[in-house]
Amino acid sequence: EPEVTQTPSHQVTQMGQEVILRCVPISNHLYFYWYRQILGQKVEFLVSFYNNEISEKSEIFDDQFSVERPDGSNFTLKIRSTKLEDSAMYFCASSEQPDRVDEAFFGQGTRLTVV
Amino acid sequence: QKEVEQNSGPLSVPEGAIASLNCTYSDRGSQSFFWYRQYSGKSPELIMSIYSNGDKEDGRFTAQLNKASQYVSLLIRDSQPSDSATYLCAVKSSASKIIFGSGTRLSIRP
Repeated sequence: EPEVTQTPSHQVTQMGQEVILRCVPISNHLYFYWYRQILGQKVEFLVSFYNNEISEKSEIFDDQFSVERPDGSNFTLKIRSTKLEDSAMYFCASSEQPDRVDEAFFGQGTRLTVV
Repeated sequence: QKEVEQNSGPLSVPEGAIASLNCTYSDRGSQSFFWYRQYSGKSPELIMSIYSNGDKEDGRFTAQLNKASQYVSLLIRDSQPSDSATYLCAVKSSASKIIFGSGTRLSIRP
C-alpha cells in the first residue's frame, strides 16, 4: 500500500536553531500539506502546496516557516529559528486531487522537541 | 473563527456494546464532515466521511449528520478493544484545509 514517509521520526533541537522536516509524498500525488499537533491539543492545518506554490496557509504559518519541494520526491518544512512552542508532532499529507484533502494520506509524523 | 467541538472524554464502553461519539460545528455553510481515528503517538486515519443529512453505514461504523442542528455523530457497534483510540471529528473548511476537533478518547473495557 502506498504511504507518505516522514523523516526523522523524532528531532530534538535547541531553541533558535533551524530545523528541516522531510516528507516523501505518494508518487502520483501533486497536492501536499503540513499539519501539526501540539501534545494533547488539536491537529492544526499549517499549509498546503501545489505546483511549487503555497495554495493556502494558516495564521500559524508565519515568516519562521517555509516549505519547499527541492526535487521530484521530497517535500520539506523548514522552521528558521525554533521556539519552545514549536514542539509538536508534525504531519505531512498528500492527495491526488486538489479539492479532496479529505482523501489525503497522512505520514506517521515527526515529533519535534525544542529544548 | 470556525470551530469543531467534541467532548474530550474519556468515554468508557464495555466490549460488544455501542459507542456513541458526538460533535458540533460552528460554520453553518460546511458541507463535508469526517471522523478520524488516532492511536496514541500516531497519525490520524480517516474512517468515515459524510456529506448529506442522515445516516451512512460502513461495517461497524455509522456516521450521522444533522445540518440543521450542526451536529455530527459516530456510532461504533460491537465495540472491540482495538477500537480504543481518540476519535477526531473534522470539517472541511476549504479545498485544502480541514478543521479538527480536539478529539474524544474512547476506551473499550473487556
